Amino acid sequence: AQSVTQLGSHVSVSEGALVLLRCNYSSSVPPYLFWYVQYPNQGLQLLLKYTSAATLVKGINGFEAEFKKSETSFHLTKPSAHMSDAAEYFCAVTSIQGAQKLVFGQGTRLTINP
Amino acid sequence: NAGVTQTPKFRVLKTGQSMTLLCAQDMNHEYMYWYRQDPGMGLRLIHYSVGEGTTAKGEVPDGYNVSRLKKQNFLLGLESAAPSQTSVYFCASRRTGASFVDTQYFGPGTRLTVL
Repeated sequence: AQSVTQLGSHVSVSEGALVLLRCNYSSSVPPYLFWYVQYPNQGLQLLLKYTSAATLVKGINGFEAEFKKSETSFHLTKPSAHMSDAAEYFCAVTSIQGAQKLVFGQGTRLTINP
Repeated sequence: NAGVTQTPKFRVLKTGQSMTLLCAQDMNHEYMYWYRQDPGMGLRLIHYSVGEGTTAKGEVPDGYNVSRLKKQNFLLGLESAAPSQTSVYFCASRRTGASFVDTQYFGPGTRLTVL
């Protein structure tokens, strides 16, 4: 079985500050991990994904995430927040087996303060 | 190339009514998925399909039925809507990936309210 826990349902940072969104996973098989972003009243857009090629993954809009097996974590970071980063962010886990169903965390709403 | 589209965008139903949500993709993807999104619960898988003519249950299938008669379309049906089915519904699709993990591409969602 697989599961994802996102620590913090709401995160608020100032414009220009570091963004850190936390994701911890549980998986009995090698995990593959995703971060998706959802802007208001829109669908989900892929930010980045970990597929075992490299532990530090770079995505769109300046975001990156590091896979740490020993900590079962896949935290999302961005060095300097922009107002346009305000959105909801979802971490998800899957495995290469079967239908590759995604298991999502509960989401973290990011607010950027001017 | 429209990607994944969903029809309708919004719908209000009364308890006991039925409706069908349509998902269409033009990327020739084999796999298609239906999720529901509820506040504080992320997205949960309702049903999925691994190819034309196939369907399977996900995490929360009760009260829903699906059909995949054509490769590009995946229909989600509510036979007798209940207020607990008030949610935002997302469809997703991806290529066949037996030896690699591929990205799921999401539609814009359908906001359903059941009174």
